[in-house]
Amino acid sequence: QSALTQPASVSGSPGQAITISCTGTSSDVGGYNHVSWYQQYPDKAPKLMIYEVSNRPSGVSNRFSGSKSGNTASLTISGLQAEDEADYYCSSYRSSTISYVFGTGTKVTVL
Amino acid sequence: EVQLVESGGGLVQPGGSLRLSCAASGFSFSNSWMTWVRQAPGKGLEWVANINQDGSAEYYVDFVKGRFTIFRDNGKNSLFLQMNSLRAEDTAVYYCARHVDWTYDIWGQGTMVIVSS
Repeated sequence: QSALTQPASVSGSPGQAITISCTGTSSDVGGYNHVSWYQQYPDKAPKLMIYEVSNRPSGVSNRFSGSKSGNTASLTISGLQAEDEADYYCSSYRSSTISYVFGTGTKVTVL
Repeated sequence: EVQLVESGGGLVQPGGSLRLSCAASGFSFSNSWMTWVRQAPGKGLEWVANINQDGSAEYYVDFVKGRFTIFRDNGKNSLFLQMNSLRAEDTAVYYCARHVDWTYDIWGQGTMVIVSS
């Protein structure tokens, strides 16, 4: 089962904005708005940051935003802070296999 | 407090079996779809299986079909993953999570499974 494609790493300076892409197909990212984003610190459980492409759960900073164009979803972190340094994963429903799939993961580094 | 707590992980030999448990509290477990997700050491997240509210529908990733079974006991607010015919590549941290609105909003802390001789 092939994962969604994310860049391995993205970096930025404090205060900058960065964007992480998540590329799939018309059977998953492109076909549905069921795209989520998760933040994971080392040896910790993932935390939901964005659901249904662009919705933020209660308690998640508005510095995190999501969008989608065609088969690619994106997570943007604005006003980058040291605490944003973590791994980020996208996920989507995949109709072709009636399953869920995660992205390959992106390590965000704050310079 | 909304919480999921996994248990049951450990060291098992190839071909062996293990049952993972996930105890839920602080939310309506019986009204929630539930999920198992795993993460091999140094690797990314991998969806394993989903189960609907009453346990009548189960969905699995291809490489565990026929080996793993997800089930639940709503009376005990518990989710389970029965893992048989374990392989080295099943070595991972296994997380349970609540599945709502096509996403996973509550996660447990994970339990480690090591398949090795």
